Amino acid sequence: SQKIEQNSEALNIQEGKTATLTCNYTNYSPAYLQWYRQDPGRGPVFLLLIRENEKEKRKERLKVTFDTTLKQSLFHITASQPADSATYLCAPGGDYGGATNKLIFGTGTLLAVQP
Amino acid sequence: NAGVTQTPKFQVLKTGQSMTLQCAQDMNHEYMSWYRQDPGMGLRLIHYSVGAGITDQGEVPNGYNVSRSTTEDFPLRLLSAAPSQTSVYFCASSTPLGTPAYEQYFGPGTRLTVT
Repeated sequence: SQKIEQNSEALNIQEGKTATLTCNYTNYSPAYLQWYRQDPGRGPVFLLLIRENEKEKRKERLKVTFDTTLKQSLFHITASQPADSATYLCAPGGDYGGATNKLIFGTGTLLAVQP
Repeated sequence: NAGVTQTPKFQVLKTGQSMTLQCAQDMNHEYMSWYRQDPGMGLRLIHYSVGAGITDQGEVPNGYNVSRSTTEDFPLRLLSAAPSQTSVYFCASSTPLGTPAYEQYFGPGTRLTVT
């Protein structure tokens, strides 16, 4: 069955450093992969979507890579700030033609940025 | 523009009771989904809809019904509540994955406890 793996342990980093979160998936060939941020007690917030034919995507301080050979996505936050502290979820999904929005979510990685 | 709204925010049910979780969006999105989130399990898709009158099952549909009579509304019905349905429920809406300006919006969630 399809499986998504994200680091279950919290990632603690110092303010100003780059945070790198990993998402690995197996038994799956998604056409898209999304990253979300979730704060305690709130719904996930969409951050970025990357397509299988894109190797890298950037948005402000965020960068996502998508390696379909390794079946892995890396999510980077540069110049991290305490306000970036949250749980980050990855969600591969979608038919090749984008016909459905069925996503499978990872359990998320908690990022804690220390001032 | 309220985005995705969910009611109620909190609900306590007794085993065997039925109820409807409401979800509405005002962005004219075709796609709507229901997820449940449990500790250590991540978000799991219950049911989804690709347009008014069209629904399909997700990963964990048993015990839940949905209908989509309008673009705006996508209620989730619990037929006979069980303690295993204690969870946080999130509704989401989006444009199709293949669209260039894709984004998915989640509601604030409904925290349901079944005793």
